[in-house]
Amino acid sequence: SSELTQDPAVSVALGQTVRITCQGDSLRRYDASWYQQKPGQAPVFVIYGKDKRPSGIPDRFAGSTSGNTASLTITGAQAEDEADYYCNSRDNHNVLFGGGTKLTVL
Amino acid sequence: QLQLQESGPGLVKPSETLSLTCTVSEGSITSSSYYWGWIRQPPGKGLEWIGSLYYDGSTYYNPSLKSRVTIFADTSKNQLYLKLSSVIAADVAVYYCARQVMVPSTVWFDPWGQGTLVTVSS
Repeated sequence: SSELTQDPAVSVALGQTVRITCQGDSLRRYDASWYQQKPGQAPVFVIYGKDKRPSGIPDRFAGSTSGNTASLTITGAQAEDEADYYCNSRDNHNVLFGGGTKLTVL
Repeated sequence: QLQLQESGPGLVKPSETLSLTCTVSEGSITSSSYYWGWIRQPPGKGLEWIGSLYYDGSTYYNPSLKSRVTIFADTSKNQLYLKLSSVIAADVAVYYCARQVMVPSTVWFDPWGQGTLVTVSS
């Protein structure tokens, strides 16, 4: 099916590592991109093409894929990483977004 | 640096047509390297792709909205437009336009406009 599924909420202790996942059949064929969205702001892409970081995105953000699951890993989470995270991919000419994961940094 | 700015009425009556404009500056919407997309986000909810336009005029729409959506552009004004007909309460959302890269292996959106909130009410 053409859907991307994310856990609604994840928490991480300050300075620890957290993995946010995104599942979907389309990820077997297409790579995921990831966005960070803070309250009242537009999304900002932090990973594209499965594992590439745009300029200006800290290297603590990393993307990977295994089978039908894409992951965004934040190594050494900072307080400013608290936000909603969305995965994004395609299925032919359709564009898909995951439902989003709210990351809380404790 | 490329910038996108959405504009349009913030209030639309039920059953009427929502019309939004996205003005693109410091970049051309006729570039063959990019698509231009519309995405919306209901209050407190996630992102939903509405549809995209390629420089040659080709359009691709979310199947769930396809019967009500039209996306087109005025290249002389470097503007992108969204029309959504027969709006209902479920169409209340922040509407974003964004530059879209779509290659065989993947897709991403960057940059995004700041978004504009559209409310549906009589």
